[in-house]
Amino acid sequence: GEDVEQSLFLSVREGDSSVINCTYTDSSSTYLYWYKQEPGAGLQLLTYIFSNMDMKQDQRLTVLLNKKDKHLSLRIADTQTGDSAIYFCAEDASGNTGKLIFGQGTTLQVKP
Amino acid sequence: NAGVMQNPRHLVRRRGQEARLRCSPMKGHSHVYWYRQLPEEGLKFMVYLQKENIIDESGMPKERFSAEFPKEGPSILRIQQVVRGDSAAYFCASSPSGTAAETQYFGPGTRLLVL
Repeated sequence: GEDVEQSLFLSVREGDSSVINCTYTDSSSTYLYWYKQEPGAGLQLLTYIFSNMDMKQDQRLTVLLNKKDKHLSLRIADTQTGDSAIYFCAEDASGNTGKLIFGQGTTLQVKP
Repeated sequence: NAGVMQNPRHLVRRRGQEARLRCSPMKGHSHVYWYRQLPEEGLKFMVYLQKENIIDESGMPKERFSAEFPKEGPSILRIQQVVRGDSAAYFCASSPSGTAAETQYFGPGTRLLVL
């Protein structure tokens, strides 16, 4: 079945880079997504990558996709305390209906 | 253009009562998805609806849960005879066309607490 796995926790110092990793199982996914959730809030789409791309950069965010290993990562450069949140990766489920399969989320803690 | 609206934001129910959660999609969006987030977990898909149609309810529990998206008005997720295990955050998302190519926009969620 479709499954998305993430490490649960990451702690970095302000100014360092953060790398959040994710593995997925459905090789037919067309898009893979990164969402950010701050405490008590909804999900904010950060970025997404089309499955035929290897990399996408958007300001401080870099997404790397290794389709062979079904591995997705999100790198945040110059991490700030405001980046502290839970980060979810998600893949679109088979059937192209827009249904998303989420990982369990990685809590990013940024220490000053 | 207002974003996805959900109400109430917080809902407290006693065991056995009914919970009604409302979701108003973004203007121009006719596709709605409901997800449930249990404490310390990721979001799990529940149901996908278009106006007046349920397209995919594979993530919805077979009993006590129902969803609708009428021609007029918000989408409603209804939970009958709530139990403590229903305590969770319920998020809806909307998109214009319901394909993987479209970005889903999420609402702020309804946090349900069952006492």
